[in-house]
Amino acid sequence: GNSVTQMEGPVTLSEEAFLTINCTYTATGYPSLFWYVQYPGEGLQLLLKATKADDKGSNKGFEATYRKETTSFHLEKGSVQVSDSAVYFCALSEGNSGNTPLVFGKGTRLSVIA
Amino acid sequence: GAGVSQSPSNKVTEKGKDVELRCDPISGHTALYWYRQSLGQGLEFLIYFQGNSAPDKSGLPSDRFSAERTGGSVSTLTIQRTQQEDSAVYLCASSLLGELFFGEGSRLTVL
Repeated sequence: GNSVTQMEGPVTLSEEAFLTINCTYTATGYPSLFWYVQYPGEGLQLLLKATKADDKGSNKGFEATYRKETTSFHLEKGSVQVSDSAVYFCALSEGNSGNTPLVFGKGTRLSVIA
Repeated sequence: GAGVSQSPSNKVTEKGKDVELRCDPISGHTALYWYRQSLGQGLEFLIYFQGNSAPDKSGLPSDRFSAERTGGSVSTLTIQRTQQEDSAVYLCASSLLGELFFGEGSRLTVL
């Protein structure tokens, strides 16, 4: 079956440090890939996505590139801020209907300290 | 409202009681999903509705769990004879064109 594996946290960084959160996936077809973020006390919200190989999703300074050869979708940010402290979830979706349920990783908690 | 609304936000119940959790999706969103978020377990898919029908119920953990959706809108997740291992945050999401919009969840504590 489909699955997503992401690095376990928690990850603690100083402000302005470089962030990488690793995510790899297993899928039978050609999935779409997503990063969702959950800020403290809030619901999950979409951070970025990529729908085909070599696509790069980007938002709020975060980037992730869909690598089919390594089945990866690592999340990166060049300079984190305290406000980036949250739990980050990697997810995949298969199917063309656009409404196929997402399969999520376990989440990685990021804490950024000033 | 503008977003996905879930109620109650917090529910404490005794083992063996039944609970109902409600989800009010974004107006016009045809797809609705229930997930369970447990500490250290990530998001576990429970059930998915397209309109009022549920093409995928594969994630419901036992026959104590059921869900319905009426009028293509509000959905109710019912857990009968709750057990302590049912304690979790139950998340609802809706979508129209693939992007999921989540509610803030219902935190269930079974004593």
